[in-house]
Amino acid sequence: DSGVTQTPKHLITATGQRVTLRCSPRSGDLSVYWYQQSLDQGLQFLIQYYNGEERAKGNILERFSAQQFPDLHSELNLSSLELGDSALYFCASSAHIQGLKEQFFGPGTRLTVL
Amino acid sequence: AQTVTQSQPEMSVQEAETVTLSCTYDTSESDYYLFWYKQPPSRQMILVIRQEAYKQQNATENRFSVNFQKAAKSFSLKISDSQLGDAAMYFCAYRSAGDDKIIFGKGTRLHILP
Repeated sequence: DSGVTQTPKHLITATGQRVTLRCSPRSGDLSVYWYQQSLDQGLQFLIQYYNGEERAKGNILERFSAQQFPDLHSELNLSSLELGDSALYFCASSAHIQGLKEQFFGPGTRLTVL
Repeated sequence: AQTVTQSQPEMSVQEAETVTLSCTYDTSESDYYLFWYKQPPSRQMILVIRQEAYKQQNATENRFSVNFQKAAKSFSLKISDSQLGDAAMYFCAYRSAGDDKIIFGKGTRLHILP
């Protein structure tokens, strides 16, 4: 158990809908990262938040957005869902320290868009 | 842009034997970190081993060791005394020291034959 929790574990929805994925980082970790794992694109970095502020952006679609709340949990919002958004979405967290900042991954949320 | 390449989509090894998974990467930076992650059928991403680019000594974690060749930009993973529980997808990954996002390879699926 990495200490990172994600809810829900599974989500099935229809095209055009909007969903919210939730992540609670390890106690004390200020950074939260979101990754998408799909069959065709592999594992890709989406976005990072540090202590409530957006820190880095990767291959995140404009239909997707995220935020980190004062209690440090984060939510990833996916809207106008398409079939191709079906994927495993991982959240990871790390302590913001210099040097090797190991990222601990949550169990993921499996999103299926029908 | 940095890239990570795993040229072996699938590999098989007999239980108790040794197997080596290959990984090459491309970067113009001199300070970075390399990782091997394991993803078993549970989908959890588990850090197996990590290597700091400034360290010449190859990292070792029990039965797992790496062969880090910085000039060749090669980072292979050796698993000794393979066990059934080692069956998983293995991802090679890169992170710049000045960045937080992790760049993953496409993965190698490892099968352990009893």
